[in-house]
Amino acid sequence: AQKITQTQPGMFVQEKEAVTLDCTYDTSDPSYGLFWYKQPSSGEMIFLIYQGSYDQQNATEGRYSLNFQKARKSANLVISASQLGDSAMYFCAMRGVNRDDKIIFGKGTRLHILP
Amino acid sequence: EPEVTQTPSHQVTQMGQEVILRCVPISNHLYFYWYRQILGQKVEFLVSFYNNEISEKSEIFDDQFSVERPDGSNFTLKIRSTKLEDSAMYFCASRSGQGSLGDTQYFGPGTRLTVL
Repeated sequence: AQKITQTQPGMFVQEKEAVTLDCTYDTSDPSYGLFWYKQPSSGEMIFLIYQGSYDQQNATEGRYSLNFQKARKSANLVISASQLGDSAMYFCAMRGVNRDDKIIFGKGTRLHILP
Repeated sequence: EPEVTQTPSHQVTQMGQEVILRCVPISNHLYFYWYRQILGQKVEFLVSFYNNEISEKSEIFDDQFSVERPDGSNFTLKIRSTKLEDSAMYFCASRSGQGSLGDTQYFGPGTRLTVL
């Protein structure tokens, strides 16, 4: 069975600092995909970044990068130069090998950016 | 930029009533999903839908739930007889299944269902 673990229920970070949100996963599937989503207080679920298990390079999208360490089964999200608007809940998630597979979510990390 | 839309944004209903939550997935997407998030908890998978049939459903998705794609654009979730514990945010998601981001599921803004 697949599992996502986010060990940081909450984090406080000073504006403009970089922040790393931790995520570890467990799966026996040889092929899988990893995602990060942002959920602001308004409730919507915003896709941030995707990493395929066979991708050679770590994914990057603007200020977001995914630090993928396959041997450690970790997929940490790094946000550079944090902004007040980054304050939100962040979910790490994964899908399995089948292309119509559901996404399994972690419990999330609530990030607070301090002015 | 195309996006998934959901209506209504908030639905209040009495226990035992039927509700229909509506979603319009991104137009060229082929795979559709419903998830729910009880307040303060993580997002849980309900059902996936492809080629006009259910691909997979969770144990949450019992006989009270059904999904339908009545036309080429809408994707609906029906709860036949709502219970208090059905109160949650319900998210619709879709993905194209094609290209480098074909695996990515894009979520709608959610419908907050409150059962009284």
